[in-house]
Amino acid sequence: QQKVQQSPESLTVSEGAMASLNCTFSDRSSDNFRWYRQHSGKGLEVLVSIFSDGEKEEGSFTAHLNRASLHVFLHIREPQPSDSALYLCAVSNQGGSAKLIFGEGTKLTVSS
Amino acid sequence: GGIITQTPKFLIGQEGQKLTLKCQQNFNHDTMYWYRQDSGKGLRLIYYSITENDLQKGDLSEGYDASREKKSSFSLTVTSAQKNEMAVFLCASRQNERLFFGHGTKLSVL
Repeated sequence: QQKVQQSPESLTVSEGAMASLNCTFSDRSSDNFRWYRQHSGKGLEVLVSIFSDGEKEEGSFTAHLNRASLHVFLHIREPQPSDSALYLCAVSNQGGSAKLIFGEGTKLTVSS
Repeated sequence: GGIITQTPKFLIGQEGQKLTLKCQQNFNHDTMYWYRQDSGKGLRLIYYSITENDLQKGDLSEGYDASREKKSSFSLTVTSAQKNEMAVFLCASRQNERLFFGHGTKLSVL
């Protein structure tokens, strides 16, 4: 049974400093990974999707996948206070079950 | 473009009451999901369905039933609302790599 865990639970960084968020998963056959952002009281906004080992960049967001170590990271370059939000990792196995599991999230606060 | 419509937007129930939440999509997507989100937390999978009349349990299925009688609709029933329960229920549909969410139903139980 797939387990998806995110760390840290909350993170505070200064404006302009790199923010790094971690997501670990348990099913090695997973092949579909996404990072979402959710501002308080709002809907989910997809930031970056990644399907193979390595890096994928979308604007100031970079996802780094290492399936051997069961990790997918999100790095946020030069975050602004407007990037303060809940960040969610979602993992699925596109080739198998359609089950899509989210982590519990990391609450990011960017201080000015 | 398509849209996912969740009804109602707000739902107030009584302890022990059976409550039904509805979700309609006009994307013609095969796969649909129901998630529960508690305040400030992640999404927990309740049920999903890969096609009409298919139902698959998620990790949080206890206390819920679901129905997918048509490809375009996926309903969720809270079988017995718990006192002081408060959460947002999100419906989503998926085609290949694209996932679309509804705006959610906010549930409060008195």
